[in-house]
Amino acid sequence: ETGVTQTPRHLVMGMTNKKSLKCEQHLGHNAMYWYKQSAKKPLELMFVYNFKEQTENNSVPSRFSPECPNSSHLFLHLHTLQPEDSALYLCASSQDGQFQETQYFGPGTRLLVL
Amino acid sequence: AQTVTQSQPEMSVQEAETVTLSCTYDTSESDYYLFWYKQPPSRQMILVIRQEAYKQQNATENRFSVNFQKAAKSFSLKISDSQLGDAAMYFCAYRSNYGQNFVFGPGTRLSVLP
Repeated sequence: ETGVTQTPRHLVMGMTNKKSLKCEQHLGHNAMYWYKQSAKKPLELMFVYNFKEQTENNSVPSRFSPECPNSSHLFLHLHTLQPEDSALYLCASSQDGQFQETQYFGPGTRLLVL
Repeated sequence: AQTVTQSQPEMSVQEAETVTLSCTYDTSESDYYLFWYKQPPSRQMILVIRQEAYKQQNATENRFSVNFQKAAKSFSLKISDSQLGDAAMYFCAYRSNYGQNFVFGPGTRLSVLP
């Protein structure tokens, strides 16, 4: 169904834990994105990477730390999160620089912070 | 900053009927892209249709078409011959031609009644 995969699909963590979300795209794209989707709120763009370089950081708290080792992989490192960080975290990729500006989304990681 | 508004939190349509979802946006730019994404329950977000702002012709994809009114900053989605599988959250999104920041609307939940 998708060229964008995310692991884990579900994650429960305490506020003192450290965990990482992983995203992998198999589409040959050069741009990758992290979004936060909370109930009753619009999708919030968190980070954008283009050719492994971070190009957007929309005022995201430092307890979220992205990493993009190559154009196919994107991580979101989590530490000392708060309960309000519970949400669905979506990864997406696109082929930036061409007219194919469409983003392709992964299935998301549903995160619960206790 | 750009904003995207979807004034209908929920809509319903009878199977085989036609429904129109509304979207308005605010921008000072003249060159941009607009998208409609569909997110079925517990499934991935997928692209429904996209429109380049410089194109006057409305985009169509099978049963899906848009009414793009650039001067009014309106971008509505029409679904013809609605099917049960069309039930989902529908998000309108804006993407500037000058950056990688996608802005999403809050979504419209569409129910299809048999």
